[in-house]
Amino acid sequence: KQEVTQIPAALSVPEGENLVLNCSFTDSAIYNLQWFRQDPGKGLTSLLLIQSSQREQTSGRLNASLDKSSGRSTLYIAASQPGDSATYLCAVRSNNAGNMLTFGGGTRLMVKP
Amino acid sequence: NAGVMQNPRHLVRRRGQEARLRCSPMKGHSHVYWYRQLPEEGLKFMVYLQKENIIDESGMPKERFSAEFPKEGPSILRIQQVVRGDSAAYFCASSPRRGETGYTRGGYTFGSGTRLTVV
Repeated sequence: KQEVTQIPAALSVPEGENLVLNCSFTDSAIYNLQWFRQDPGKGLTSLLLIQSSQREQTSGRLNASLDKSSGRSTLYIAASQPGDSATYLCAVRSNNAGNMLTFGGGTRLMVKP
Repeated sequence: NAGVMQNPRHLVRRRGQEARLRCSPMKGHSHVYWYRQLPEEGLKFMVYLQKENIIDESGMPKERFSAEFPKEGPSILRIQQVVRGDSAAYFCASSPRRGETGYTRGGYTFGSGTRLTVV
């Protein structure tokens, strides 16, 4: 059974810092991995999708990497801004789990002005 | 493209009542998924549907919960005789039709969720 863990659970940084959020998964047989952002009381916004054959994806100040063999993904946020404050969720679609996503518990990020 | 539409955004029910949550997928998406987010917990898969077909309901509680995705109209998640423990945010997602590999190539698009409060 796939398990997804995100570390740290919470992170507080001053504005302007570069930061890294970590996601690990127990079963490396994945189809893809997706990073989402969730604002308090709101839905999920897709940030980046990495297919199993890819190593990284970039969108603006965000860069996500995938090391399937070691069961890890990182989300790198450059030059953080207060508007980046949210919960970041990592979700994995496993090869043997149909179309179901397995989510990590999330990292709550607070960027202080 | 209106995205994935869920309604209502907030729903309050008394214990024992029924709750009906609706989800309209993105245009062109024929796969619908329901997830539940309990307070202070992560999102958990509940059910995966295509039109008129339940594909995977391994995450659905065995009693009181049901889901459908009719030929016409939105997908419905129905909770009968609600209890306080059903209070949660319920999210719907949709994805494009399957590719040749049997898996959808695109990522998921999530709706804004329905927040159910049972009093």
